[in-house]
Amino acid sequence: GAVVSQHPSWVICKSGTSVKIECRSLDFQATTMFWYRQFPKQSLMLMATSNEGSKATYEQGVEKDKFLINHASLTLSTLTVTSAHPEDSSFYICSASRENYGYTFGSGTRLTVV
Amino acid sequence: DAKTTQPPSMDCAEGRAANLPCNHSTISGNEYVYWYRQIHSQGPQYIIHGLKNNETNEMASLIITEDRKSSTLILPHATLRDTAVYYCIVRVGNSGGYQKVTFGTGTKLQVIP
Repeated sequence: GAVVSQHPSWVICKSGTSVKIECRSLDFQATTMFWYRQFPKQSLMLMATSNEGSKATYEQGVEKDKFLINHASLTLSTLTVTSAHPEDSSFYICSASRENYGYTFGSGTRLTVV
Repeated sequence: DAKTTQPPSMDCAEGRAANLPCNHSTISGNEYVYWYRQIHSQGPQYIIHGLKNNETNEMASLIITEDRKSSTLILPHATLRDTAVYYCIVRVGNSGGYQKVTFGTGTKLQVIP
């Protein structure tokens, strides 16, 4: 089946630093990937749609200059949390879509900003 | 995407069938029903999807009403490992695509020994 790999699975960083999260489609090409954020005991919140070779589309209320998305190839999208603060601590999840598989999700990245 | 509504939580005895309902009364004719589940601190896992016919795979069965306004996910013999949050989603099409998916609050299924 379609596999999406997300790395790292967890990261701790200091306030003010930047963190990059990678999302790879391992056995298929994904022209579109999606980034979600999930706070404890809440549902997934869509942050942005990542399009290969073009700018990402951000959901209302998501700061595009803070959450930088790059989708440089058909198998890789990255999310960079810039100048991270404790309120950015969350569970970040990516997904990609493949025909007949629906959406496949990465295993998520637990970000803790201290 | 059509809005879906699910009960916030359900309990099920281990070994029994778990029946998880979902209402999608505003579903359009070209929208499919998808089910995912999320085990704690993991990414959502695809379970099953369908358009109007009932579907079955190795994980579950999906029953869609004739008017397509609601559906039920059935886990035939629930195990402790099925404890998770189950999300029902509707989206256009069956192809790998570009339509964003938004999640509701889902149903927290607790399988009890």
